[in-house]
Amino acid sequence: DIQMTQSPSSVSASVGDRVTITCRASQGISSWLAWYQQKPGKAPKLLIYAASSLQSGVPSRFSGSGSGTDFTLTISSLQPEDFATYYCQQANSFPHSFGQGTKLEIK
Amino acid sequence: QVQLVQSGAEVKKPGASVKVSCKASGYTFTSYDINWVRQATGQGLEWMGWMNPNSGNTGYAQKFQGRVTITRNTSISTAYMELSSLRSEDTAVYYCARYYDPRGTFDYWGQGTLVTVSS
Repeated sequence: DIQMTQSPSSVSASVGDRVTITCRASQGISSWLAWYQQKPGKAPKLLIYAASSLQSGVPSRFSGSGSGTDFTLTISSLQPEDFATYYCQQANSFPHSFGQGTKLEIK
Repeated sequence: QVQLVQSGAEVKKPGASVKVSCKASGYTFTSYDINWVRQATGQGLEWMGWMNPNSGNTGYAQKFQGRVTITRNTSISTAYMELSSLRSEDTAVYYCARYYDPRGTFDYWGQGTLVTVSS
């Protein structure tokens, strides 16, 4: 099975900041990577697929990059509604494993 | 619009089974796989298994093999996840999610069902 490792596990930032979250796969997954946002008590929401493609309706301040084993999610200018937990998920092979999550908190 | 609506919260005793339903609407149920993902309180997302509603074919994470069964009733566009031999560690929110195969993503999710296992 492919293991997904996110860093950091938590990050504090302020509204307007630029934030980057990293996800590393235990083996190459090409661009088969997705990012999700989850708010407390809610289901995850798909943000990005194929490593860098924005899901319909997702604000353009979210962007993704990477291929192979190393990926990043960047939020260019944090908004109050962006404080949440973010998960990466590999879509290269089953089981479609998730990273352990990165909690984005208000500084 | 696409919706996945799950059944309500359950409280079960250790050793019992639970069956959670997931009713799909707004799209052709048999055209997209349904997956199940769970999340223990304060923990991350854990993939459990998938089902093709058209064929009924399924696949399960090794961790749950022998304890989980995913089925469907196409006449009412509903998928089911049954977990048996429950233990306290199975206390979690269980989500169904539609799988969009060309991208390998879970594009729509149910609202989640809390299953509590307690004596």
